[in-house]
Amino acid sequence: DGGITQSPKYLFRKEGQNVTLSCEQNLNHDAMYWYRQDPGQGLRLIYYSQIVNDFQKGDIAEGYSVSREKKESFPLTVTSAQKNPTAFYLCASRTTGQGWAGELFFGEGSRLTVL
Amino acid sequence: QKEVEQNSGPLSVPEGAIASLNCTYSDRVSQSFFWYRQYSGKSPELIMSIYSNGDKEDGRFTAQLNKASQYVSLLIRDSQPSDSATYLCAVNRDDKIIFGKGTRLHILP
Repeated sequence: DGGITQSPKYLFRKEGQNVTLSCEQNLNHDAMYWYRQDPGQGLRLIYYSQIVNDFQKGDIAEGYSVSREKKESFPLTVTSAQKNPTAFYLCASRTTGQGWAGELFFGEGSRLTVL
Repeated sequence: QKEVEQNSGPLSVPEGAIASLNCTYSDRVSQSFFWYRQYSGKSPELIMSIYSNGDKEDGRFTAQLNKASQYVSLLIRDSQPSDSATYLCAVNRDDKIIFGKGTRLHILP
């Protein structure tokens, strides 16, 4: 089935550790996105990528890093520099190009808790 | 000014009535607009997209876009208890897709 797979669904991390969240899509979408959601809040954009080997910072990129070596994959690393990493992380993808509204489709999310 | 603004609610609507959700955005060059529904603990799911001025209808849902006023709305007719959720407005500006904080909708049985 086509879709977006995020792993792990739940992750616990000690302070000072880096952690990498996986996001894989088989929808043949060009663009991929990472968002963070805190309780009772909307989605805040961390990073996004329109094509392989290129990505742009979103509104809250500090303390995060990404790579886009393959079209299907867009992993997010939460580094020890991120002050408040406990959150729900959502990966999404979309088509691009003129004439398309280009809706985002989301994975099921990864819930990170820092102990 | 925030890029995408929504009333956080909660908005309480009797079952069977019309729920009206509103969203304003700050950047005039925004190109396309989306409404998502999110149940607690789940990821958002797309309800509708709109990119031309006017109304777009899909079943019980109608999205309305007014670019001159920088305003997007979502109407839900014949509201059902299953419509109780948080509704997120999103705006696409040059492939950067920004979300509002969402409006919590509660349908009263």
